[in-house]
Amino acid sequence: SQQGEEDPQALSIQEGENATMNCSYKTSINNLQWYRQNSGRGLVHLILIRSNEREKHSGRLRVTLDTSKKSSSLLITASRAADTASYFCATDEERSGTASKLTFGTGTRLQVTL
Amino acid sequence: NAGVTQTPKFQVLKTGQSMTLQCAQDMNHEYMSWYRQDPGMGLRLIHYSVGAGITDQGEVPNGYNVSRSTTEDFPLRLLSAAPSQTSVYFCASSRDRGRLSEKLFFGSGTQLSVL
Repeated sequence: SQQGEEDPQALSIQEGENATMNCSYKTSINNLQWYRQNSGRGLVHLILIRSNEREKHSGRLRVTLDTSKKSSSLLITASRAADTASYFCATDEERSGTASKLTFGTGTRLQVTL
Repeated sequence: NAGVTQTPKFQVLKTGQSMTLQCAQDMNHEYMSWYRQDPGMGLRLIHYSVGAGITDQGEVPNGYNVSRSTTEDFPLRLLSAAPSQTSVYFCASSRDRGRLSEKLFFGSGTQLSVL
């Protein structure tokens, strides 16, 4: 079963607006990562936030993590047409004694129009 | 830098045929993994490896075999292809051997159709 669920499934905004995507997960985690996938391409890592962190920034990206609610959000500020892509959250579940298995959500499709 | 290289990019098989999807990385990464991506399902982990000679099952391992004889290569074998294995397959690697506290580097994918 999917560990992460993104919301919304699809989002359409105009260039210059902010885009917010949410991710909910089910079990305790070590870290949560966000990836971007352009159509027909492989995934590209955007940002990693550890379970003891609450907020992280990278350029126009801001990620928050609320472990009590088992949720994370990705904010893209001042969006550009080039931000059009699918965005996935991925969680590294907390399991002792085993190697990590990064589990992906179903993704949010972001469309940025001019 | 080549990063993670997957071959072939496209493949069409008939039901019952076998084939191997190739994956190679040149970053000396210990961790390698295979995912499949289906519409509306996100990515699901098939198999993974934390080093040469060590492999383990992911979420959807049935119908797939893997081996890891070298650090660089992690091939995925379909022994008897089924239409349910029609999907896009991604190979990914990471520097971290145990706990995955590092990011994954993805290949560009193999689009497989089983008729």
